Amino acid sequence: DQQVKQNSPSLSVQEGRISILNCDYTNSMFDYFLWYKKYPAEGPTFLISISSIKDKNEDGRFTVFLNKSAKHLSLHIVPSQPGDSAVYFCAASAQRQGAQKLVFGQGTRLTINP
Amino acid sequence: DAGVIQSPRHEVTEMGQEVTLRCKPISGHDYLFWYRQTMMRGLELLIYFNNNVPIDDSGMPEDRFSAKMPNASFSTLKIQPSEPRDSAVYFCASSPWDRLNTEAFFGQGTRLTVV
Repeated sequence: DQQVKQNSPSLSVQEGRISILNCDYTNSMFDYFLWYKKYPAEGPTFLISISSIKDKNEDGRFTVFLNKSAKHLSLHIVPSQPGDSAVYFCAASAQRQGAQKLVFGQGTRLTINP
Repeated sequence: DAGVIQSPRHEVTEMGQEVTLRCKPISGHDYLFWYRQTMMRGLELLIYFNNNVPIDDSGMPEDRFSAKMPNASFSTLKIQPSEPRDSAVYFCASSPWDRLNTEAFFGQGTRLTVV
């Protein structure tokens, strides 16, 4: 059972436009959410996170939105740049339950076209 | 700090052979995780340790997989005997997991190919 799902394996966006990556989760105990970015032949690196007490967190060109009632979060990148081309993983944890582990989705490959 | 260090970067082995993957976490991090990346399931948590003690190994696929953390600076993931379906990229990650730092820091991974 996949508790964190990224239903789009790939996404292609033109440079300068907005990229929107989506993630759904099923476990209502999840209270902390993260996005990781992964380049080929490298490990994933942390990008941005959000606690369940918030519905939005912004860091430069990156914004994460959380809709708890829908159990859905999204990552917005604007404007998109060629260097943003990578695989993006959504992750979640249940911190209040003391579960110090991250559950990841399958990833979405983002390609930014010049 | 050099970050999480994994070795080897690439491993090609024959079916039935024993494979050992190695990880050196970031100094001072209390948590160590082993993940496996596949196309179908993305990043799958296999096992994690807190202060060298295994906490949750429910993701370990079979008894052929085992992991140890003999001290705070070293962990191994062993597959014996290996099978072609074990081919994947295996990541080790560490985390301080305190109130302000809840993300995990990943190594560069070991690409395992079992032929």
